[in-house]
Amino acid sequence: GENVEQHPSTLSVQEGDSAVIKCTYSDSASNYFPWYKQELGKRPQLIIDIRSNVGEKKDQRIAVTLNKTAKHFSLHITETQPEDSAVYFCAAPSGNTGKLIFGQGTTLQVKP
Amino acid sequence: NAGVTQTPKFQVLKTGQSMTLQCAQDMNHNSMYWYRQDPGMGLRLIYYSASEGTTDKGEVPNGYNVSRLNKREFSLRLESAAPSQTSVYFCASSEAQAGVGYEQYFGPGTRLTVT
Repeated sequence: GENVEQHPSTLSVQEGDSAVIKCTYSDSASNYFPWYKQELGKRPQLIIDIRSNVGEKKDQRIAVTLNKTAKHFSLHITETQPEDSAVYFCAAPSGNTGKLIFGQGTTLQVKP
Repeated sequence: NAGVTQTPKFQVLKTGQSMTLQCAQDMNHNSMYWYRQDPGMGLRLIYYSASEGTTDKGEVPNGYNVSRLNKREFSLRLESAAPSQTSVYFCASSEAQAGVGYEQYFGPGTRLTVT
């Protein structure tokens, strides 16, 4: 089955700096890669996703890049703000029933 | 449009007690999921239901059972609670189709403590 590894587990940046979180996956057939943000005490919410037919997708200050050959994808946050502080999870599909396998999570702290 | 709802929000059980966590969605989604979230472990899939009438095991199914009551509702049952089942439980749903990934929408979670 699918296996997803996420790094780093914690990341601390100064406000205005960029943050990068990387995930690797094992199943070369995977074709959908979402990123979720979870604020303290709240539910995970999708912030961006990418499908395997594109290499990069941007939405304002966040972007996701995908390298299918190397089987890794990354979340990039530019001009970080304190409200970006949260836990971020990557995921990849397992099988063809829509279920996702999540990475272990990255706690991002943006210091003012 | 409430999205995904879960009850209860909090629960404390003694070892050996049983309980059922309820989940409902009003988005007409085919697929529903139960996860548990523990510190440093991410979100681990317990059981899922790809469509009404079907259920399958996820990564950590031991000690749990599920029922897909209808298209809207998917319940998770702990028959004999153990301290290792202390966790935050999330229900999610998605309009997943075979071979195509879709966004999962999460409920607010249930914080369960087993003493």
